[in-house]
Amino acid sequence: EIVLTQSPATLSLSPGDRATLSCRASQSVGTFLAWYQQKPGQAPRLLIYDASNRATGIPARFSGSGSGTDFTLTISSLEPEDFAVYYCQQRNNWPPLFAFGPGTKVESK
Amino acid sequence: QVTLKESGPVRVKPTETLTLTCTVSEISPTNTRMGVSWIRQSPGKALEWLAHIFSNDEKSYNTSLQSRLTISTDTSGSQVVLVMTNLDPVDTATYYCARVITGAPYVFGVWGQGTLVTVSS
Repeated sequence: EIVLTQSPATLSLSPGDRATLSCRASQSVGTFLAWYQQKPGQAPRLLIYDASNRATGIPARFSGSGSGTDFTLTISSLEPEDFAVYYCQQRNNWPPLFAFGPGTKVESK
Repeated sequence: QVTLKESGPVRVKPTETLTLTCTVSEISPTNTRMGVSWIRQSPGKALEWLAHIFSNDEKSYNTSLQSRLTISTDTSGSQVVLVMTNLDPVDTATYYCARVITGAPYVFGVWGQGTLVTVSS
């Protein structure tokens, strides 16, 4: 069973800053990794899938990279609406178990 | 365009059984069933995946909870039901259903709004 860890737990930044979020898998997941954004009181929203593909309608300031066990979500220049919690997620090939990381909160400094 | 909506009781008592329904609505149904998961989030905590039903009706469960969970769907795939037995106050959470996307059947592209379930006597 693959376990995901995320760092840091909290990132305190200002609008316009660059945000770099990390997700590490306990074993290789290839590029089968997704990132989600969640704001208070809302359901998560898909940002990135297959490690680096932006979902429909996601601004270009969001980018993903990585493969194997180490992945990064980068927000090139934070907008006020980007302050939220970000989760990575993957699925085992077999058994087909899904898992989320513990999340990184991006908060306003 | 597809939407998902969760429904079920707002409050259940400890030891009771919870039944949640996810209704999948499509403006232009494709007749292609897609996998759907149930995911929950306790207040202030991270997302926790619970169960998934694949397009071929195969099922997968969180190993820690699998003895208490059953996921099923109707023949059309328009309703996905989660049954959780022997509820405890720690099961208090917002429960979401989410559907995978075409081409990446491990990725949740569409989510319901979530339904808050409180377990309390």
